[in-house]
Amino acid sequence: ELKVEQNPLFLSMQEGKNYTIYCNYSTTSDRLYWYRQDPGKSLESLFVLLSNGAVKQEGRLMASLDTKARLSTLHITAAVHDLSATYFCAVDGDKIIFGKGTRLHILP
Amino acid sequence: GAVVSQHPSRVICKSGTSVKIECRSLDFQATTMFWYRQFPKQSLMLMATSNEGSKATYEQGVEKDKFLINHASLTLSTLTVTSAHPEDSSFYICSAPGTGRYEQYFGPGTRLTVT
Repeated sequence: ELKVEQNPLFLSMQEGKNYTIYCNYSTTSDRLYWYRQDPGKSLESLFVLLSNGAVKQEGRLMASLDTKARLSTLHITAAVHDLSATYFCAVDGDKIIFGKGTRLHILP
Repeated sequence: GAVVSQHPSRVICKSGTSVKIECRSLDFQATTMFWYRQFPKQSLMLMATSNEGSKATYEQGVEKDKFLINHASLTLSTLTVTSAHPEDSSFYICSAPGTGRYEQYFGPGTRLTVT
């Protein structure tokens, strides 16, 4: 059974700092997703990572995938308050399974 | 990009009644759609996979007779919560895979409150 673990589950950080969210998964998959969710809203797609070594960047967010280690990271560079949200990773086996989410709170 | 809509966005119903939630793919066809439930401050839990032209596939622990799914066409799936109870109050989100299958498009969600 595919399991997806994210850590940390909660992160409070100062503006301007860098931090990384980790996503480990238990079985082989070559599709990993990162989503953002704002309170009361649905999911916003951030990245789709399809192959080992894939790296994608959008603004202050950068995601990477290591399929051999079954690990993806979401790196935040010079955080700003607008990035406060909950971030989910999800892995596509025969169905998409979500991690528990990381609630990111960026202090001004 | 592809758009998935849900209706209604919010619904309040009394305990014991049934509620239907619609999920539509607006500019693409979806032979498969997924239904998720999200409780406050928790992750999305897959409830079932809706298949056009055949029965839905339910995840373990999800009652088929309580959560009725009908995939009536290539652009519409419905979830009916029958005999709703307060513990069914949740945020229900549907999704559909894009044509390349690598992308998932999520609906805006339906917030159900059962009083």
